[in-house]
Amino acid sequence: ETGVTQSPTHLIKTRGQQVTLRCSSQSGHNTVSWYQQALGQGPQFIFQYYREEENGRGNFPPRFSGLQFPNYSSELNVNALELDDSALYLCASSYLRSGTANTGELFFGEGSRLTVL
Amino acid sequence: AQSVTQLGSHVSVSEGALVLLRCNYSSSVPPYLFWYVQYPNQGLQLLLKYTSAATLVKGINGFEAEFKKSETSFHLTKPSAHMSDAAEYFCAVTKGSSASKIIFGSGTRLSIRP
Repeated sequence: ETGVTQSPTHLIKTRGQQVTLRCSSQSGHNTVSWYQQALGQGPQFIFQYYREEENGRGNFPPRFSGLQFPNYSSELNVNALELDDSALYLCASSYLRSGTANTGELFFGEGSRLTVL
Repeated sequence: AQSVTQLGSHVSVSEGALVLLRCNYSSSVPPYLFWYVQYPNQGLQLLLKYTSAATLVKGINGFEAEFKKSETSFHLTKPSAHMSDAAEYFCAVTKGSSASKIIFGSGTRLSIRP
């Protein structure tokens, strides 16, 4: 069973640039959630994708966008980078059955650490 | 809206001592509650979860947590701390509906003294 993998593991960008982070979900999972974890903070929910559509969004501006592909992998795109976007970006996958409760068991990747200069 | 508050950003205990990490939740509906652990430079790993079955939940690595509705608490305990328990611990909550998001607390860093 392959776990959640994220790429790249580290990257450095400058203000105003754009970045794309990638996530491969765990085998058998159909849902991907993205979180931003600033240094010393808990993960903040960015959005969730289920069946290739956004299925919930946190308090992040529209310059944070995402995609989910037919194989359930996902991308997080951030445009017009700001210094405060520097953080660890975590991807988590899970299995969600339509109409049933989200039991909340997320399987996390090791994250992509973004530094914005 | 759901939220969790973790009391104490840093807890230090001696090896072999009791571990107690505090979490209080706020939810307008019966919540699902979780504890996750994060080791340095790694992602988060589920320790245990409460989904309205037994109020005392046992997790991995000897940890357990008790759901107390009257106190809106879900504290994490371990009878005897081990050096390998040093990590960041996060309490989390969700409504449990199919579209609900999982909200994490700010975390508690657990240090173990030899």
